[in-house]
Amino acid sequence: DAKTTQPNSMESNEEEPVHLPCNHSTISGTDYIHWYRQLPSQGPEYVIHGLTSNVNNRMASLAIAEDRKSSTLILHRATLRDAAVYYCVRTGGTSYGKLTFGQGTILTVHP
Amino acid sequence: EAGVAQSPRYKIIEKRQSVAFWCNPISGHATLYWYQQILGQGPKLLIQFQNNGVVDDSQLPKDRFSAERLKGVDSTLKIQPAKLEDSAVYLCASSLVVTGYTEAFFGQGTRLTVV
Repeated sequence: DAKTTQPNSMESNEEEPVHLPCNHSTISGTDYIHWYRQLPSQGPEYVIHGLTSNVNNRMASLAIAEDRKSSTLILHRATLRDAAVYYCVRTGGTSYGKLTFGQGTILTVHP
Repeated sequence: EAGVAQSPRYKIIEKRQSVAFWCNPISGHATLYWYQQILGQGPKLLIQFQNNGVVDDSQLPKDRFSAERLKGVDSTLKIQPAKLEDSAVYLCASSLVVTGYTEAFFGQGTRLTVV
């Protein structure tokens, strides 16, 4: 079961940091954590991924708990263009790269 | 680099009719996915190809849905006959390799309305 749990929605103000949580308590040692986001009327877009260590890229940072049962996507300064549905996805092991999406978190950014 | 191309963008059909969607993945990408996204839900994987072979089609309703990937490149997804509950966005995605690290690139999708 590749289930992850995320809050249904979150809100933020522009220019402020946003921390989007994800629980994946049944994760295996070989599963990666991926984050995708989906803007209105678009397909999902890759944001970041990680295995054990915290990761940074130009879009965001990913903080993975030491026990790997949870992770947090960090948007350092939210902009209006970051308003989207954010999906936390597990993949790896024998799933051959299968991406199983949950409901995701709807992020609203206020000006 | 060109992205994943899908056509058509929109399609309206009557129930019991048939419909086909086309996907052209990013050049060189071995893995191709078809997802169904019902309004308000996350995408659900229908079928995953590795080159022209099927890796996972466990959630494909095989009595009405079919998919093929000719020569390991383009792919078509067909529904015959369509039902009202098939109204959704059909997303195609591709990725370079199949490993635990898999960055998938998605097309814009085809929005199907069955009336």
